[in-house]
This record gives sequence, structure tokens and C-alpha cells, in this order.
Amino acid sequence: RKEVEQDPGPFNVPEGATVAFNCTYSNSASQSFFWYRQDCRKEPKLLMSVYSSGNEDGRFTAQLNRASQYISLLIRDSKLSDSATYLCVVNPRGTGRRALTFGSGTRLQVQP
Amino acid sequence: DAGVIQSPRHEVTEMGQEVTLRCKPISGHNSLFWYRQTMMRGLELLIYFNNNVPIDDSGMPEDRFSAKMPNASFSTLKIQPSEPRDSAVYFCASSAPGQGVYGYTFGSGTRLTVV
Repeated sequence: RKEVEQDPGPFNVPEGATVAFNCTYSNSASQSFFWYRQDCRKEPKLLMSVYSSGNEDGRFTAQLNRASQYISLLIRDSKLSDSATYLCVVNPRGTGRRALTFGSGTRLQVQP
Repeated sequence: DAGVIQSPRHEVTEMGQEVTLRCKPISGHNSLFWYRQTMMRGLELLIYFNNNVPIDDSGMPEDRFSAKMPNASFSTLKIQPSEPRDSAVYFCASSAPGQGVYGYTFGSGTRLTVV
């Protein structure tokens, strides 16, 4: 089983739509969670951290469910510029490895 | 802030040749990470350093790969001899002391093609 699993998509949505991505992680000792965004042929960039209480940054909302080992990202009022691959990222503390583990990403294409 | 700087941006080499990828982390960052990204396997950690010391190299594919960090401002990833299956984008990332929980900053990557 992969440490971090995501639906690869692609998700094709019209502008203005609300879209949600999900992610599951296997290591229950994981303590830090993030969503990164990666544009085509570019490096990953931190979009937002994910906190247990849930957090919001403008049109983006991230949620964490530790009991289910599940992370989500909700994008409201999607824009053409949101088209990218969204990477779910986990810090797998407790395994002896202290570097971030990345999911394979979910591709989003927002259409006019 | 110049960010994480990687060179070269693109490298095309013939099978069997030695390839050296370079990375300059953000000044003041004490952790440095080398990742490899392919369509099939996504982003995989190869090795990471903390205060110039290799901490976890379990992701290094085989003896053909080696990495060094001679000082806080420079790291290299070397492949010798290179093979076509090494073709990928290699990213370097860094994080500040105690700030790893806030994520990493990535360089622009080196796109390696081995023919």
C-alpha cells in the first residue's frame, strides 16, 4: 500500500465550480500535512498546511480526519488559473524517516 | 531571496556517462532534500541532509547514485554510469531549522534525459 494515496484524476470542471480532492495516508503516526500545487513542468509549491481543526485560505479549505487518516482540499469558485496538479503531502514521523512523503497528485483542469 | 538554485536546468547525456546535478539551498536553511519525479512513480525522496550530514539515503536507487554536501551552501547528486531509466526530473528542496513542519521550498529542478 502506498504511504499517500490520491485519485489521479483528471478532474475537468467549469469555471466557478466547487471541486474537492481527497487523500488517504497509511501511517497513523504522521503529524504534519500539506497540500502542494504543481504547475506543468514547474516545481511543487506549498499551497497550504492542513490542521486538525480545518483551515481556510480564501477559496481553499483543507480538512484533516485523523481517525480515518483522510485529508481533503476544497476549492470554491474555481478559476482557470487553478488548473494544476495538487499533491497531498505527509510528514511520516514515527517511521524513522523525517522527510515529506508526496502523493502522486490529482490533476485539475478548469475549463472556460 | 534567491530561492533554491539548481543547475543545470536541462541535461541530455548518453548512457554510461557521468552526470552531476547541483543545488544551492536557501541561505540559513539547514536541511536539504533530493527528490526524483517520474510519471510512473511520482515524487520520490532519494536522500536528505541535516546540517550537511546525510540522514536518510534509503531512497537512493543503487550504487550508481551518490550525493554529497560539502558545506551548508552546496550539494551534488551524481549518477555514474547513467542509464535511460534514470531519465526524470530531479528536484532539490530545503527547509529552515525547525521549520520542516511548515513545508519545503523546491528548486526549479533538473530535467535529465539519458539516451
